Amino acid sequence: GENVEQHPSTLSVQEGDSAVIKCTYSDSASNYFPWYKQELGKGPQLIIDIRSNVGEKKDQRIAVTLNKTAKHFSLHITETQPEDSAVYFCAAGGDMRFGAGTRLTVKP
Amino acid sequence: GAVVSQHPSRVICKSGTSVKIECRSLDFQATTMFWYRQFPKQSLMLMATSNEGSKATYEQGVEKDKFLINHASLTLSTLTVTSAHPEDSSFYICSARDERRSWSSPLHFGNGTRLTVT
Repeated sequence: GENVEQHPSTLSVQEGDSAVIKCTYSDSASNYFPWYKQELGKGPQLIIDIRSNVGEKKDQRIAVTLNKTAKHFSLHITETQPEDSAVYFCAAGGDMRFGAGTRLTVKP
Repeated sequence: GAVVSQHPSRVICKSGTSVKIECRSLDFQATTMFWYRQFPKQSLMLMATSNEGSKATYEQGVEKDKFLINHASLTLSTLTVTSAHPEDSSFYICSARDERRSWSSPLHFGNGTRLTVT
């Protein structure tokens, strides 16, 4: 089955800086890669996703890049704001295996 | 967009009792739903895949007699924690995929159920 690794586990940035979170996956057949944001006491919310037929996707301050050859994909958040503080999860595989999560803290 | 409703959001029960958690897809049908368990500051651990009209598929190490899953309709799956013990206290989350779209469409999550067993 799919194995997803996510780094870093914690990330602290100053408001306005960029944040990057990286994930690697093991199953070369995986072709769909979502990113979720989870706030305390709530379920994960989809923030962006990418399919294997493209290398990059952007939605305002959030972007995801995919390198299928190297089997890794990354979440990029620019101009971070305190409300971006949350735990972020990547996922891959048909049954959606999740990475371990990254706790992002944006300091005002 | 697709919405998944999970109920209750919080439940406290006594050791030895059973608790049922409901997961509903509100505006789409889902032949498959997923149940996760999440410990504090940890990732989501897939417990089982709920299949409409058939038996659930459990992940290794998850007791099927302990965590009963019923998926009786295309919009409802239930998870029953039987004979609950304090170690079952956790955050349980369900998810479903809108199958009108391709299989590579996002999972939509409920808001979770915080179970506390005293």
